[in-house]
Amino acid sequence: VQVVESGGGVVQPGGSLRLSCAASGFSVTSTNMRWVRQAPGKGLELISLIYSGGATKYPDSVKGRFTISRDSSKNTVYLQMNSLRADDTAIYYCARDACSLLTGQDYCYMDVWGKGTTVTVSS
Amino acid sequence: EIQMTQSPSSLSASVGDRVTITCRASEKISTYLNWYQWKPGKGPNLLVYAASHLQSGVPSRFSGSGYGTEFTLTIANLQPEDFATYFCQQSFKTWTFGQGTKVEV
Repeated sequence: VQVVESGGGVVQPGGSLRLSCAASGFSVTSTNMRWVRQAPGKGLELISLIYSGGATKYPDSVKGRFTISRDSSKNTVYLQMNSLRADDTAIYYCARDACSLLTGQDYCYMDVWGKGTTVTVSS
Repeated sequence: EIQMTQSPSSLSASVGDRVTITCRASEKISTYLNWYQWKPGKGPNLLVYAASHLQSGVPSRFSGSGYGTEFTLTIANLQPEDFATYFCQQSFKTWTFGQGTKVEV
C-alpha cells in the first residue's frame, strides 16, 4: 500500500501546475484522499479533500484556485493548481484517510502518505 | 476552526531520555486527536490515533494520552531515529494540525 506524488517543479507566479498521486494496493475511490502541504519552515496545511463519494472540499487559502480530482482507471488523484502565488511554495503530500471504529465511533486519520513533491513559485 | 497549539516548539534531548510533547485544542475534541512524526525527505508517519491508540508497527516507546482539550505524546527511552518533528492533528471538526515540535539532539 503506497502513494507516490509527482508533477512538482518551478513555476512563475500566476502559472499552473498539476500534481499527481498514484496509488497502489488500494483503490482511491474506496476512501477519502487529501493533499497536504508544508511551506518552508511552516507546519502542515490541509489543502484539499476528495471524499470517496466524489465531493470535494477546500480551505479558503486555495478555494477557487486549486481543484482535486481522481481517475479510477489510473487509480490516481490529481491536484490542479492555478493562479499560483509565492506563498504556495511548499512540499505537497498526498495522503489516504482511514478510520477505526472504537466504542461505536469512527476515529479517522491519515495512515498512508507519499514522500511529497516540491512546488516552487518564483519569477 | 479549531486551533491546535503544541508546546514546546522545539526541545533538546539525548538518547535514552523521556520526552513529552503537549498539544492543546481551542475547544473540546473528545479523543479525536492524532500524532504524526515527520522527517525531512519523507512523508509524515502516523504514530497515534484517537489520542492513545498506537498505530500498527509503531514502537511501544511511543504513547499518547489526553481528553477534551489537552493531550500528550510521550517517547520513553528516546532512540536516535526519533529525532524528528512531531505534529498533532484533530479530526473532531474540519481537520487542523498543530504547528509542530522539533526534537533535536
